[in-house]
Amino acid sequence: AQSVAQPEDQVNVAEGNPLTVKCTYSVSGNPYLFWYVQYPNRGLQFLLKYITGDNLVKGSYGFEAEFNKSQTSFHLKKPSALVSDSALYFCAARRGNNRLAFGKGNQVVVIP
Amino acid sequence: EPEVTQTPSHQVTQMGQEVILRCVPISNHLYFYWYRQILGQKVEFLVSFYNNEISEKSEIFDDQFSVERPDGSNFTLKIRSTKLEDSAMYFCASRDSGTGNLSPQHFGDGTRLSIL
Repeated sequence: AQSVAQPEDQVNVAEGNPLTVKCTYSVSGNPYLFWYVQYPNRGLQFLLKYITGDNLVKGSYGFEAEFNKSQTSFHLKKPSALVSDSALYFCAARRGNNRLAFGKGNQVVVIP
Repeated sequence: EPEVTQTPSHQVTQMGQEVILRCVPISNHLYFYWYRQILGQKVEFLVSFYNNEISEKSEIFDDQFSVERPDGSNFTLKIRSTKLEDSAMYFCASRDSGTGNLSPQHFGDGTRLSIL
């Protein structure tokens, strides 16, 4: 069964500093991994995905994620955080043909 | 950019009543989903729908739940007899058929369902 873990509850980072949001996965077969962001009172917004190919995946708003098979990780990164990046971030893995299995989410707080 | 739209944004219902949550997926999308997020908990999969039938459902999606695509644009989730524990944010999502099963799901802003 596929599952996703986001070990931290909240990530605090100063504006301009690098941002990392951690995710580890447990999937059978080839992992299909996704990151979504949720702003207050809004739905989940797709950021990026890993299906196959390059381990470094680039997505929206300057975010990227690194797939590491040996560590079963898919950490989300941004070189220089903005205050507007403050939001809830969800890592997800595709299960079966359709469903997404989500991690519990990480609140990111970017401090001006 | 096309969006998934959900109505209403907030629904308050008495326990035991029926509720219908409505969604308009992105127009050229073929796969449709419902998820829910109980306050402070994970986003949980409920059901997926393709070609006018349920393709997958979770253990949460019991006989009290049903989905329907009554016309070419709407996708609805019905809860027949609501319980207090049905209080949650319900998200609709859709995706196209591009690149097999690998296209991302696009989510609406959700309906907050409050059962009294």
